Amino acid sequence: AQKVTQAQTEISVVEKEDVTLDCVYETRDTTYYLFWYKQPPSGELVFLIRRNSFDEQNEISGRYSWNFQKSTSSFNFTITASQVVDSAVYFCALSEARGGSEKLVFGKGTKLTVNP
Amino acid sequence: GAGVSQSPSNKVTEKGKDVELRCDPISGHTALYWYRQRLGQGLEFLIYFQGNSAPDKSGLPSDRFSAERTGESVSTLTIQRTQQEDSAVYLCASSRTGTKDYGYTFGSGTRLTVV
Repeated sequence: AQKVTQAQTEISVVEKEDVTLDCVYETRDTTYYLFWYKQPPSGELVFLIRRNSFDEQNEISGRYSWNFQKSTSSFNFTITASQVVDSAVYFCALSEARGGSEKLVFGKGTKLTVNP
Repeated sequence: GAGVSQSPSNKVTEKGKDVELRCDPISGHTALYWYRQRLGQGLEFLIYFQGNSAPDKSGLPSDRFSAERTGESVSTLTIQRTQQEDSAVYLCASSRTGTKDYGYTFGSGTRLTVV
């Protein structure tokens, strides 16, 4: 069965600090997709990134970067020079690529608070 | 529409009453999903629609929960005889079928409170 674990329930940092949010996943499939979503206090889920299981290249988008390592089944998310606006709950999710419902399995989320 | 629209945004109902939650997906998105998010928790999958059929209903927690979809548009999630444990935010998402090139787009959710 698929499972996503976000061991960090809450993280608090001071503005401009770098912060890494951990995500570990379990799946029996060789083809799958990993996602990160941001949920600000307004509640709406904001799509950040999708990565397929065959692409282990790290990705950088502005202050955001993602480190995908199949060997450790991890897909960690780093925010560089954090800002107060980064305060939100961040969810990691996993989806199988083959047939079925293509549903997302979510971790429990990490609440990030960036203090000024 | 430009995004996934859900209504109502908030719903307070008495225990035992039935409620209907509505989701209007992005035009052209054939796949539609319902999720439930309890306070402080992650998202739990409820049901998946491909067009107007539901190939995966495995997440519906009991027979009090049902959902339908009209064609490739609006979906309604119905909860009968609501219980306090049904209190949660119900989120709807849509995506383009068979293309993993797009992230699933979520609506703002319906916050259901059963009193």
